[in-house]
Amino acid sequence: QSVLTQPPSVSAAPGQKVTISCSGSSSNIGNNYVSWYQQLPGTAPKLLIYETNKRPSGIPDRFSASRSGTSATLGITGLQTGDEADYYCGTWESSLSGWVFGGGTRLTVL
Amino acid sequence: QVQLVESGGGVVQPGTSRRLSCEASGFTFSNYDIHWVRQAPGKGLEWVAVICYDGTYEYNVESVRGRFTISRDNSKNTLYLQMNSLRVDDTAVYYCARGVTGSSGGPGGWYFDLWGHGTLVTVSS
Repeated sequence: QSVLTQPPSVSAAPGQKVTISCSGSSSNIGNNYVSWYQQLPGTAPKLLIYETNKRPSGIPDRFSASRSGTSATLGITGLQTGDEADYYCGTWESSLSGWVFGGGTRLTVL
Repeated sequence: QVQLVESGGGVVQPGTSRRLSCEASGFTFSNYDIHWVRQAPGKGLEWVAVICYDGTYEYNVESVRGRFTISRDNSKNTLYLQMNSLRVDDTAVYYCARGVTGSSGGPGGWYFDLWGHGTLVTVSS
């Protein structure tokens, strides 16, 4: 049971938009930066978003993220079949002095 | 080529030890904190440990405390994870990941910008 809560799965049609939530508390999301990772089937995770809402070079602007209070959200627009993957949020958990990931969300592009 | 390459995985019996390695290339290894992250079969990501760029501090998750030791040799551009008293629930793909300290200047701003391909450790009798 992770301290960061993500929905197990989301789905949407190609070309549509989807959001993935990541719910935490003041000891993690509320006071620390959030990053998001994409894990395509059979591959290592890849950084999508850092410092809550910044995209690394090479990540298309179809991917965006935000934070409100103790929750963070990843948004993906113009869905493509290649976006089918598991998505993880992560942040520092001050009460544990350790890093935590959300349980992950599997995106299906129908 | 900027990369991290893990090695050392395999099948081991419960209660035994194993050492994983992560060799870095293409960047200045000694400038970065490096983390271990694991993923049990069919499960999500679990952060395991971090060692800072010069080895002067480290953090780890409670489930491995007292059993796993993270270390590094900057002269060899290599990170290690010494795993002792292995348990069945340590079975996972172990990834090393390069940590970046963002604008916050501390762990609250960490993120992982480069990952290895992972090495599988199976603990089974």
